[in-house]
Amino acid sequence: SQTIHQWPATLVQPVGSPLSLECTVEGTSNPNLYWYRQAAGRGLQLLFYSVGIGQISSEVPQNLSASRPQDRQFILSSKKLLLSDSGFYLCAWANWGNIQYFGAGTRLSVL
Amino acid sequence: LAKTTQPISMDSYEGQEVNITCSHNNIATNDYITWYQQFPSQGPRFIIQGYKTKVTNEVASLFIPADRKSSTLSLPRVSLSDTAVYYCLVGENSGGYQKVTFGTGTKLQVIP
Repeated sequence: SQTIHQWPATLVQPVGSPLSLECTVEGTSNPNLYWYRQAAGRGLQLLFYSVGIGQISSEVPQNLSASRPQDRQFILSSKKLLLSDSGFYLCAWANWGNIQYFGAGTRLSVL
Repeated sequence: LAKTTQPISMDSYEGQEVNITCSHNNIATNDYITWYQQFPSQGPRFIIQGYKTKVTNEVASLFIPADRKSSTLSLPRVSLSDTAVYYCLVGENSGGYQKVTFGTGTKLQVIP
């Protein structure tokens, strides 16, 4: 069966520090991969999606970036975090039927 | 990209059947309707997907009228653990990248 791993679960970072969140998927190949951010009490905002290795599309201009160095690995990064980057970050993968399966999420607090 | 509209919130007593309706007036021919459930501090979880008429699984039923401009998620005999946010999404079921939008969903509060 397929599983998705996302870490860390919580993260507290100072403003201006770098960020690296990692997501890996097991049990499937060539999945579509997504990064979302959710502010408190709000819906999910799609940040990046990827349909293959090295193929990244950005939905929202910001100081975040994403990379897909391997088929089942998706990384969200920032060189310098802003206060506004705080939120709940979710990684997801989709199968051929486009049903998305989500990781447990990372709660990021930028102070 | 079909836009969806659903109530912001609903309250229900334990043991009752809950129906959450989603409007998607500009749904395309190839679009499927998918519902997700999200608990606080967790990622959304797939509940059910359908194209037309009725779909039922162990968790819920999905009713889609002939014109497909709306859909209704039905949760039988809800319990307190069904308190969550429910999202309705519309998009193709054909692989590749399909942009879908998670709106604010419907916040269901189950009351004892």
